Amino acid sequence: GAGVSQSPRYKVAKRGQDVALRCDPISGHVSLFWYQQALGQGPEFLTYFQNEAQLDKSGLPSDRFFAERPEGSVSTLKIQRTQQEDSAVYLCASSTLQGAGTDTQYFGPGTRLTVL
Amino acid sequence: AQKVTQAQTEISVVEKEDVTLDCVYETRDTTYYLFWYKQPPSGELVFLIRRNSFDEQNEISGRYSWNFQKSTSSFNFTITASQVVDSAVYFCALSEANYGGSQGNLIFGKGTKLSVKP
Repeated sequence: GAGVSQSPRYKVAKRGQDVALRCDPISGHVSLFWYQQALGQGPEFLTYFQNEAQLDKSGLPSDRFFAERPEGSVSTLKIQRTQQEDSAVYLCASSTLQGAGTDTQYFGPGTRLTVL
Repeated sequence: AQKVTQAQTEISVVEKEDVTLDCVYETRDTTYYLFWYKQPPSGELVFLIRRNSFDEQNEISGRYSWNFQKSTSSFNFTITASQVVDSAVYFCALSEANYGGSQGNLIFGKGTKLSVKP
């Protein structure tokens, strides 16, 4: 079946522009995560959705970052007034939710954001 | 606090050599999960294995094997008879058990870049 897809794959923005990054999770996956991966680093957690509810947004670095998942499937990560330090790969992951325990997260190919 | 340490930044081997990637973790929970992911140059994170803290049995899958030791908080990954296609960045990750029906996010190490030369 289809995996997690993300679009666009690459985005170049001028400093101060707003950007929107899209994630299509695996069909039927209840949980959706966003991570930020800086060059040469491991991914870092940004936010988590269970269906349409955003249950954890503790990793969002500033109030310029906003995420939504209005119908419990597709999610959008929006960054307002982009700054150079926002340049990174943004990864989306989805998983099932099967009772207690952490289910395996399956990742999309990421969106590489470059802010000039 | 949760933490994952991958002390080896880069490893270079010649094809057919065995190689072990180290992973040390820190957590206060007694229930937790450990993962390994592979990130080839294309950038997508590929899931390799998931273990829970109650299962210390070592696992083998083809040329891959994993050694989980709670006593040393380590979850090491060995590739036997490495191949050029194994060249990638490998990440170890930790997640604590979910409570209240939510999912735990992954805490990643900084990764180990493996280069396998022909």
